Amino acid sequence: DSGVTQTPKHLITATGQRVTLRCSPRSGDLSVYWYQQSLDQGLQFLIQYYNGEERAKGNILERFSAQQFPDLHSELNLSSLELGDSALYFCASSRDSGPQHFGDGTRLSIL
Amino acid sequence: AQSVTQPDIHITVSEGASLELRCNYSYGATPYLFWYVQSPGQGLQLLLKYFSGDTLVQGIKGFEAEFKRSQSSFNLRKPSVHWSDAAEYFCAVGGKGDQGNLIFGKGTKLSVKP
Repeated sequence: DSGVTQTPKHLITATGQRVTLRCSPRSGDLSVYWYQQSLDQGLQFLIQYYNGEERAKGNILERFSAQQFPDLHSELNLSSLELGDSALYFCASSRDSGPQHFGDGTRLSIL
Repeated sequence: AQSVTQPDIHITVSEGASLELRCNYSYGATPYLFWYVQSPGQGLQLLLKYFSGDTLVQGIKGFEAEFKRSQSSFNLRKPSVHWSDAAEYFCAVGGKGDQGNLIFGKGTKLSVKP
C-alpha cells in the first residue's frame, strides 16, 4: 500500500460527458502529480501541483483541468470526453527530496 | 530531448534464472533514476531509486540497478527470478522529490517460465 488513494477505481461513461477523478496523497506529501497510461502513448505526465499551486504542466489537453485543495487532495476534471480518453489515470505524491509514490489508478472507459 | 528507452518489450526467463532489464536515458540535467513495477490491475510500485552516490543501488524484492553515466544506462538486475516477479517494469528519469515530473520508458513485460 503506497498510501496514495484514488477514487473511483473504475469509471464508465459516454462521449461528451464530464468526469472527476480524485486523489488523496500520502500524509505529509505536498506534491501531487497526474499521469495518463494508455496502450499507444504509455505513461505520460499531465500536471503537477505543489501545496495548492500548479507547478508543472505536461501533455494535458485543454479539455482537462486539475486542482489541489487546502487539505492537499487533488481532483482531475476531464470534460467533453472522447473515445481516445479511455486510459488508466494515475496520481502520485511526493515530499521534499523523496521519490514519487503512485496510487492504484482510475480506469476510465468511454463508450 | 528528454527520453527513456527500454529496448526490450517482452522478456521471458525461467524461474531461478538471472534477469537484466535494460534502460537508457537522455536527460539534460542531473538524472534521478527510478525503476517501478506494475502487476496486472495494480498501480506502480517503486522498486529502487538513484539520486547520487554509490552507482549500485539496492531495492526491494532482491532487485538492484547500476547507474553508468558514460553509457547513460540504468539497468535493473536480479540474480534469481521468482514466479511472482512476472509483471511490467518501467524505468523513469526525472526530478527529485518535488522538483519535477517523471519521464517513463514504454516498459518491459517480464514472463517467468516454471
